[in-house]
Amino acid sequence: NFMLTQPHSVSESPGKTVTISCTGSSGSIASNYVQWYQQRPGSAPTTVIYEDNQRPSGVPDRFSGSIDSSSNSASLTISGLKTEDEADYYCQSYDSSNHRVFGGGTKLTVL
Amino acid sequence: EVQLVESGGGLVQPGGSLRLSCAASGFTFSSYEMNWVRQAPGKGLEWVSYISSSGSTIYYADSVKGRFTISRDNAKNSLYLQMNSLRAEDTAVYYCARDRSSGWFDFDYWGQGTLVTVSS
Repeated sequence: NFMLTQPHSVSESPGKTVTISCTGSSGSIASNYVQWYQQRPGSAPTTVIYEDNQRPSGVPDRFSGSIDSSSNSASLTISGLKTEDEADYYCQSYDSSNHRVFGGGTKLTVL
Repeated sequence: EVQLVESGGGLVQPGGSLRLSCAASGFTFSSYEMNWVRQAPGKGLEWVSYISSSGSTIYYADSVKGRFTISRDNAKNSLYLQMNSLRAEDTAVYYCARDRSSGWFDFDYWGQGTLVTVSS
């Protein structure tokens, strides 16, 4: 089964840049679009990146997404970190059966 | 304004059944594909099931296949999840989530979720 693997947690200081990775277990991650969701405690997820690198309206350009085929990974980069960015982040794609697949989630701490 | 409001969660014994509902408003419900996604306490997101706009195409995660049934009533702007043979590991917040657009496998709107607790 297709799986997406994320680091359990990352931390960085305000104003800095952090990158969260999402590695596909098989096939080419570049074959299917990857999305990124932000989830704050007690709230539903919201989209910060869709179609690998597209930002929904209202998401600041501090958030960016990319694909690295050589490592079969997607990445979410957040620059100019703010304390409000502290949240859980999930990558999501889909498999050959059109089943949606989530990564395990990464807890971002801004300290 | 797009709104998705889940209901029907609660405490149920192992082996029991529960039916979740998701009331949609603020968009043409019959034009959108819908999903159920769950999140166990302190855990990550898990996709559960998908249904096409007409209801003709349905997918399930292996973990719920044969026990859960997704359905929709476009006349009532509602999405449902019938959950049978419930297990402790089905304990989670259940979200309904809208596909961003037909043929795109990501979610643009989510409800606030309804908690299902399976325990004796």
